[in-house]
Amino acid sequence: GQQVMQIPQYQHVQEGEDFTTYCNSSTTLSNIQWYKQRPGGHPVFLIQLVKSGEVKKQKRLTFQFGEAKKNSSLHITATQTTDVGTYFCAGALNDYKLSFGAGTTVTVRA
Amino acid sequence: KAGVTQTPRYLIKTRGQQVTLSCSPISGHRSVSWYQQTPGQGLQFLFEYFSETQRNKGNFPGRFSGRQFSNSRSEMNVSTLELGDSALYLCASSPVLGTHGYTFGSGTRLTVV
Repeated sequence: GQQVMQIPQYQHVQEGEDFTTYCNSSTTLSNIQWYKQRPGGHPVFLIQLVKSGEVKKQKRLTFQFGEAKKNSSLHITATQTTDVGTYFCAGALNDYKLSFGAGTTVTVRA
Repeated sequence: KAGVTQTPRYLIKTRGQQVTLSCSPISGHRSVSWYQQTPGQGLQFLFEYFSETQRNKGNFPGRFSGRQFSNSRSEMNVSTLELGDSALYLCASSPVLGTHGYTFGSGTRLTVV
């Protein structure tokens, strides 16, 4: 079964608002990655977090890796229509195997 | 530089047939992974190849197989197709073996009728 759980499954956001998607694993992860898939597109690598408690920012996106390396979050501020898509987290269960979360599909109300 | 190239983009097959999908990784990338994406199951890992050897395998039946050539290009084969095999098959490449962030291709949309 799926070892990396992601919530919420859907996120409907008013343009300009903030939102957060969460990723949780039952086991300690060696790293976690985030991908974005636009409608009709393919997943695009956004970032990788490796260290416990690590926080990385990409413009309006903030990624965080939990202290226990079992959870992660992606926070988007001031949502824009370009943020539409599905955001996947992918937890590295060991050095060679990724488990993808089910994704959070984001729609934006203008 | 060119991205990950998957061919064909779309494919329609009949139950019981077999199919071969192709993936050309980014130049210099030696690791190629395959994923199946469906609305119900999300992204499911099939297998990963590195230096022509399968290094890791997901929980798919033996009907799903793959190989990698000396130029790192990879093929995936599905035999005795079932309706449930209808999916987007994604190939992803990485410079090294392991979970370091992948570049995905545009995928092959397989429909089994």
